[in-house]
Amino acid sequence: SQQGEEDPQALSIQEGENATMNCSYKTSINNLQWYRQNSGRGLVHLILIRSNEREKHSGRLRVTLDTSKKSSSLLITASRAADTASYFCATAPRETGTASKLTFGTGTRLQVTL
Amino acid sequence: DAGVTQSPTHLIKTRGQHVTLRCSPISGHKSVSWYQQVLGQGPQFIFQYYEKEERGRGNFPDRFSARQFPNYSSELNVNALLLGDSALYLCASSLKSGDYEQYFGPGTRLTVT
Repeated sequence: SQQGEEDPQALSIQEGENATMNCSYKTSINNLQWYRQNSGRGLVHLILIRSNEREKHSGRLRVTLDTSKKSSSLLITASRAADTASYFCATAPRETGTASKLTFGTGTRLQVTL
Repeated sequence: DAGVTQSPTHLIKTRGQHVTLRCSPISGHKSVSWYQQVLGQGPQFIFQYYEKEERGRGNFPDRFSARQFPNYSSELNVNALLLGDSALYLCASSLKSGDYEQYFGPGTRLTVT
């Protein structure tokens, strides 16, 4: 079963605009990771934020984490057509201990038009 | 350095058949995890292996099995294929077991007819 949900399910913006995607999850976590997937192929790791962190930046990406609300957001600034993809959040539930088990959300499909 | 590699890229099988999917992790990575992604959904965890031992198992039937070899590569086996097994099978590797970044391969697209 899916751990949580991304919101919105689909997002269409113009090049240069910012895109914000939200993720909610259900259980306590060790970390939360964001991935990008192009055309149903492999996932590309974007950023990892640990449960004791509140915000993290990587290039044009900004991720926030609110463990009290069990939610995270991914902001892509100055979007480009190449950012068109599906974006997934994935959590490493604390219950899994030392295992490497990720629980994925349902994904947000981002379309960036010229 | 090469990323995670998977073979084959595509596969078409008939119901009731058996399939073996292969994965080679990033050099130096000792943990391999397998995920199933049905069209329109997020990936679902199937197995994780670390140092050749199973460390985690998802909610999948016993028809699914896996193993890890001394060189840390891995195989996922599915017996008695069902139409519902049609999916993209993703392999991910990480340095160790635990809450580390996981790096995914391109996947194997399995179609069961």
